[in-house]
Amino acid sequence: SQQGEEDPQALSIQEGENATMNCSYKTSINNLQWYRQNSGRGLVHLILIRSNEREKHSGRLRVTLDTSKKSSSLLITASRAADTASYFCGAVQGAQKLVFGQGTRLTINP
Amino acid sequence: GAVVSQHPSWVICKSGTSVKIECRSLDFQATTMFWYRQFPKQSLMLMATSNEGSKATYEQGVEKDKFLINHASLTLSTLTVTSAHPEDSSFYICSASYPSGYTFGSGTRLTVV
Repeated sequence: SQQGEEDPQALSIQEGENATMNCSYKTSINNLQWYRQNSGRGLVHLILIRSNEREKHSGRLRVTLDTSKKSSSLLITASRAADTASYFCGAVQGAQKLVFGQGTRLTINP
Repeated sequence: GAVVSQHPSWVICKSGTSVKIECRSLDFQATTMFWYRQFPKQSLMLMATSNEGSKATYEQGVEKDKFLINHASLTLSTLTVTSAHPEDSSFYICSASYPSGYTFGSGTRLTVV
């Protein structure tokens, strides 16, 4: 990908379980953002973490950022069937350029 | 707020023809817009950065003569796929930056037959 790797590429879990997705990036960043995409649709912004932050929470979402390892993780707690989607991390580089990782396809089984 | 409207949502065209995709910011002024391409089950690849009133900046490997970008106003950016071929079939998504972050269009599925 233009930005880095995400793992896993696909994740299937049972409803109610927690889902963790990881993302690595290549260059220095201003901030890192996580997005959700339902099949064939645009992206929805989930959460942003700045380069000087290490952890951030929003509802059932928890994001961590490790700039020394150039990596981030997204945790979705108490997953629901409606969380089924693809999730992408996007690194904001330089002059506002937002580039994405490969993404994780998350499937929540009822 | 910060809504971007992208049209058309899908288009089928014949090989060799050109297709224009529009991206409009509805409630804010978008100085900078971005165009992405996404193949099935893959990530979004940044194609170019569109700046109002100036030439677009293309990513490495993206043909500027093939993918014409025009950002003539603060609310409209267009991507024209010229002389489209089947390999150009893809999902194209625009995005605009605004003070609080980025907002995305709903995408255009282009099928070249």
